[in-house]
Amino acid sequence: KAGVTQTPRYLIKTRGQQVTLSCSPISGHRSVSWYQQTPGQGLQFLFEYFSETQRNKGNFPGRFSGRQFSNSRSEMNVSTLELGDSALYLCASSGIDQGAMGGYTFGSGTRLTVV
Amino acid sequence: AQTVTQSQPEMSVQEAETVTLSCTYDTSESNYYLFWYKQPPSRQMILVIRQEAYKQQNATENRFSVNFQKAAKSFSLKISDSQLGDTAMYFCAFMKQTSGSRLTFGEGTQLTVNP
Repeated sequence: KAGVTQTPRYLIKTRGQQVTLSCSPISGHRSVSWYQQTPGQGLQFLFEYFSETQRNKGNFPGRFSGRQFSNSRSEMNVSTLELGDSALYLCASSGIDQGAMGGYTFGSGTRLTVV
Repeated sequence: AQTVTQSQPEMSVQEAETVTLSCTYDTSESNYYLFWYKQPPSRQMILVIRQEAYKQQNATENRFSVNFQKAAKSFSLKISDSQLGDTAMYFCAFMKQTSGSRLTFGEGTQLTVNP
């Protein structure tokens, strides 16, 4: 069974640009969550999607957005990139709806560097 | 809001010995889950063990066990017979028992297993 696939693995962008990151969940998983990991702020929740609907959103500015497609694949977009957006972005999927019960499987992340 | 605190930024242990990682949390919720995740250099977050708050019995997974003290809001991880492959960053995490819940992570503890 394939795991959670995140692409690309590494990305370098310039301030002011926008970026789109992709996450393919485990087959059959309908919940996809995104987290930002930085040395200073640690792991912070961005948003969670279930069946193409955003169910939960973290405390990030509107420059951060996401969506989920009918095949459960998800993308997140960051517009007008800032240096502080440099981070590891992790995606997690779950096949269990009710509270996920920790059944989250994480991908290996996308390392975004903004220069 | 929930908070999770890991007071040990770094720990080291000799191979084959036992080590305990500490975690405390704060919440007003009655129903929730607690987790320990491991993040090796490969960056992928791997679930080590989970505990349902309503269960009094401490969870155990092979060499990994927890000491869950609900009244004290404490959730420590014990690793027995430490192996070199256990070297990783360990994160304690909290999640409410509702749909679409987010994981709230602690700051992490870098564990190094020495040969």
